[in-house]
Amino acid sequence: AQTVTQSQPEMSVQEAETVTLSCTYDTSESDYYLFWYKQPPSRQMILVIRQEAYKQQNATENRFSVNFQKAAKSFSLKISDSQLGDAAMYFCAYESRFQGAQKLVFGQGTRLTINP
Amino acid sequence: KAGVTQTPRYLIKTRGQQVTLSCSPISGHRSVSWYQQTPGQGLQFLFEYFSETQRNKGNFPGRFSGRQFSNSRSEMNVSTLELGDSALYLCASSSGSVYNEQFFGPGTRLTVL
Repeated sequence: AQTVTQSQPEMSVQEAETVTLSCTYDTSESDYYLFWYKQPPSRQMILVIRQEAYKQQNATENRFSVNFQKAAKSFSLKISDSQLGDAAMYFCAYESRFQGAQKLVFGQGTRLTINP
Repeated sequence: KAGVTQTPRYLIKTRGQQVTLSCSPISGHRSVSWYQQTPGQGLQFLFEYFSETQRNKGNFPGRFSGRQFSNSRSEMNVSTLELGDSALYLCASSSGSVYNEQFFGPGTRLTVL
């Protein structure tokens, strides 16, 4: 079974600065997908960024980018120019390519606070 | 396009009762997944339905069940409620292919007394 670990329960950053959230995972599969989801307080969870394991190039979405290290099974999220609206719980998630169904395995989450 | 809707948003039940939660996916989406979110266990996958068929099931007891209708709306049922079933139940919809973004609803907050 796959597992996802987020070792930082809480992180804080000054507005406009850069922060990196860590995520490691364990799997015996060679092809899979990785995601970062954001859950703002009392709001719906939304997708931030995703990465296909067979792609070596790191995904980027505006101020959000990932550092995907397949051999190390590491998938960190970097948020540049942090904004107050980035404050939320961030979840790293894994999805198998082979099970033929959509099933996300989530980490425990990192609560990100943005200090003005 | 309207987002994923879940009803009811809040629910209070007592131990031993049963409950049914509803999820309406985004129009055109054929996959609906259910997750349980608790402070202790985090986000855990319950099951996924695609075109009225359960494609995958998480590690939950048989008290947790679900179904999907021909219009892709889904319901989940929990029978013989226990205190530990208190949680936020999230529903997510997508087109059904792996790697596709799952769009989450606001959740149903279930409290079991």
